[in-house]
Amino acid sequence: NAGVTQTPKFRILKIGQSMTLQCTQDMNHNYMYWYRQDPGMGLKLIYYSVGAGITDKGEVPNGYNVSRSTTEDFPLRLELAAPSQTSVYFCASSQPRLNTEAFFGQGTRLTVV
Amino acid sequence: AQSVTQLGSHVSVSEGALVLLRCNYSSSVPPYLFWYVQYPNQGLQLLLKYTSAATLVKGINGFEAEFKKSETSFHLTKPSAHMSDAAEYFCAVSVPQGGSEKLVFGKGTKLTVNP
Repeated sequence: NAGVTQTPKFRILKIGQSMTLQCTQDMNHNYMYWYRQDPGMGLKLIYYSVGAGITDKGEVPNGYNVSRSTTEDFPLRLELAAPSQTSVYFCASSQPRLNTEAFFGQGTRLTVV
Repeated sequence: AQSVTQLGSHVSVSEGALVLLRCNYSSSVPPYLFWYVQYPNQGLQLLLKYTSAATLVKGINGFEAEFKKSETSFHLTKPSAHMSDAAEYFCAVSVPQGGSEKLVFGKGTKLTVNP
């Protein structure tokens, strides 16, 4: 099993550019999440999805958009990149129960200059 | 609101010494608690989880954690540190949100193991 796969691993964007971070999972998990990780701040939830066609905002959704057209894929779109979006982004997936673990991708390190 | 607080952003121990990473939680209902580990330039992976079956939970790589309701704590321990334990450790609590669940993470504790 590949688990959760994120692409790209690294990216440098100029201010105002747009990009899509890709995330796919092969575990048939209903729930998928996007987090950002900033030094000393832990992980903050950007968006999450409970199934295909259903998405909702997390703690820090401004400047991002998501879609979930299939169970496997959950891309994160950055429109008009800003320096504040420099971060490491993690996608995760899980089964829909409180006591189950989330599986994480390897992360995408994004720098906006 | 349910949350976790990790005491100490950096912990340094000698190889072979006890590892103790502290986590306190805030929850109005019985919590589901997790410890994740992140090695450099990698994603997070589960070390162990508490789901109310037993208060002492054993995880991978010799780590364990004890749930203490009276102290609202879920501290992570390992009797003898190994160089390979150097990583960042995150405590997390699973909370219901709008018909689904989400993980709320602490800010992390970076563990350094000195030879």
